[in-house]
Amino acid sequence: DTAVSQTPKYLVTQMGNDKSIKCEQNLGHDTMYWYKQDSKKFLKIMFSYNNKELIINETVPNRFSPKSPDKAHLNLHINSLELGDSAVYFCASSLKGSANEKLFFGSGTQLSVL
Amino acid sequence: AQKVTQAQTEISVVEKEDVTLDCVYETRDTTYYLFWYKQPPSGELVFLIRRNSFDEQNEISGRYSWNFQKSTSSFNFTITASQVVDSAVYFCALSDAGSARQLTFGSGTQLTVLP
Repeated sequence: DTAVSQTPKYLVTQMGNDKSIKCEQNLGHDTMYWYKQDSKKFLKIMFSYNNKELIINETVPNRFSPKSPDKAHLNLHINSLELGDSAVYFCASSLKGSANEKLFFGSGTQLSVL
Repeated sequence: AQKVTQAQTEISVVEKEDVTLDCVYETRDTTYYLFWYKQPPSGELVFLIRRNSFDEQNEISGRYSWNFQKSTSSFNFTITASQVVDSAVYFCALSDAGSARQLTFGSGTQLTVLP
């Protein structure tokens, strides 16, 4: 069983559309994250949730809205997609969200905005 | 604020050569954690190692070894007798007690091992 699974793997859409990326972890972890990897491979955190509560919300446009229905799921909804949103989005989880914990990553969602 | 610098953007070596990937970090905390992750061409991010700031003992795992030096704020990664399967982007990352749940990544080093 995949520990952290995100869907879809590829997402191609037109500018202005709204899209969602889903993420689920079966590790029993309390904390989940969304990271964005740009075309230069730079990884930056977007959001972090701990037990469904928003912990970290970096300077991300409010067109991005995370939703955590339960601690095993953290979905990312993006409104009014722009060309600059094209990137790979990674979901991740860790046990309690402590600084010493390793992250388990999903396989990524390649978003291409045309 | 914490920062991780991987000055080597790309490295190419021939199979069986040894290669060292550099990582320099900045943090104001005395308690912090350093990580290395591997991103192979398939795209997923794989955890390799974690080291806490109080443990400067170097670590070896098979062909991989890590050299942690607080005096130079470095956490370098060496692959001995490299193989083609080692080709990947390698990321160094840092988290500290003051920014729990926020892992700061370096910009990554693309390693290409040629046959």
